[in-house]
Amino acid sequence: AQKVTQAQTEISVVEKEDVTLDCVYETRDTTYYLFWYKQPPSGELVFLIRRNSFDEQNEISGRYSWNFQKSTSSFNFTITASQVVDSAVYFCALTPSSGSARQLTFGSGTQLTVLP
Amino acid sequence: NAGVTQTPKFQVLKTGQSMTLQCAQDMNHNSMYWYRQDPGMGLRLIYYSASEGTTDKGEVPNGYNVSRLNKREFSLRLESAAPSQTSVYFCASSELNSQETQYFGPGTRLLVL
Repeated sequence: AQKVTQAQTEISVVEKEDVTLDCVYETRDTTYYLFWYKQPPSGELVFLIRRNSFDEQNEISGRYSWNFQKSTSSFNFTITASQVVDSAVYFCALTPSSGSARQLTFGSGTQLTVLP
Repeated sequence: NAGVTQTPKFQVLKTGQSMTLQCAQDMNHNSMYWYRQDPGMGLRLIYYSASEGTTDKGEVPNGYNVSRLNKREFSLRLESAAPSQTSVYFCASSELNSQETQYFGPGTRLLVL
C-alpha cells in the first residue's frame, strides 16, 4: 500500500518570503514517480513537476525548486520569493512505475496563502 | 487541444436520483481515471480504465459504475445518489510511457440533497 503525508495543513506567508511544502511518502515499490500538483481557487488541478525515483537530482525552475531525498522518503517543494498568485492548495502524489495503470495516491494537500 | 473536458460543471441531485458524469480527452491517452475530492482528504481514486475495453475498481468504488465508451470517453454513473456522494469529481487521463503524468479535467461539483 502507498501513503503520502503532507503534515502541513495550512501555511501563511507574506509576499516575497520563501516557503517550503513538505511531503513524506511510503511505498513498497522499488521504482515510482512523485508529483506535485497545484489547485488554485478556481478549482482545476495543474501539474507542476514529476520526479522518477531513480533521479535524485534536485531541480530549480524559476522560483520553484524541489528536494527529493530517497533515504528519508521525502519530496519537498520550495517557492522562492512567493507571490499572491501562488496562493493555492498544493498536492503531493505518488504512483508506481509498473503495473497496468498508474493510480495516483494523493496527500491531503497544503493550503498556501500568500498575503500582500 | 481542449485536453480533458467534463460535463456538467455543477449538478444538484435529490437522494435516490441517478446521473452520469461525462469525461472526454483529446490527447489520445490510453488510461483514464475518476477521482473524488472531499475536504481535507485529497483525491481518492474511484475507478480507472487502463485501456479501452477495461475498467477496474479504485479505492472507493461503492455506489458508482463506469463505462469506457471508446478511447476518448470515460463516464461515471451514480445509480442511486446518496448525500455521502456530495463531492467534487475529477476525471484524468495519462499515457503509459515513461512520463506517467496524469492530466486532469476541470471537475464536476455534485451536491446530493
